[in-house]
Amino acid sequence: GDSVTQMEGPVTLSEEAFLTINCTYTATGYPSLFWYVQYPGEGLQLLLKATKADDKGSNKGFEATYRKETTSFHLEKGSVQVSDSAVYFCARGASGANNLFFGTGTRLTVIP
Amino acid sequence: EAQVTQNPRYLITVTGKKLTVTCSQNMNHEYMSWYRQDPGLGLRQIYYSMNVEVTDKGDVPEGYKVSRKEKRNFPLILESPSPNQTSLYFCASSTQTGGGRAPQHFGDGTRLSIL
Repeated sequence: GDSVTQMEGPVTLSEEAFLTINCTYTATGYPSLFWYVQYPGEGLQLLLKATKADDKGSNKGFEATYRKETTSFHLEKGSVQVSDSAVYFCARGASGANNLFFGTGTRLTVIP
Repeated sequence: EAQVTQNPRYLITVTGKKLTVTCSQNMNHEYMSWYRQDPGLGLRQIYYSMNVEVTDKGDVPEGYKVSRKEKRNFPLILESPSPNQTSLYFCASSTQTGGGRAPQHFGDGTRLSIL
């Protein structure tokens, strides 16, 4: 069935390291794709999105490119900061409704 | 300020005692949804609503009820809570656009413990 698979964590990086969190999806058609971030004790916030193939979403130094050939939407950041420590969720939209299907989340810890 | 407000933020209760978690949004969004978040499982949808008086089951609706009498409110009702409903719950809302393109706005969560 339709699903989202993302890299298992936890991920621990030193400040200024390069970040990649992998996300792949299965779906019929070309769903919209999202990355959400959850800081400790808070709800999820939209980080970035892409609505069609080859789109690149970007925000706060994070980027992800919608790759239909590999059905992937990997999250990247060139230089992480301690304040990026959070749980990151990949999600895809459903056609015909606003429902979202989430991956299991990846916890990122950035150490000084 | 645009927001989704959930109450309570924390609740400890006992098996079988009915409870309601309220959710309200001030963005005039048509779509609202409830999720539960459990370790290793991510977020799973419980119920959603496309508009007033229109609700539908998500992936894990058993043991829950919802209602949508007004556009801004979407309460989650546990008629007879059980320990397996101990979880972190999130309400979310979004504008109603086709193709699932609209991002969702989330509340800060309600942590329920059912003893």
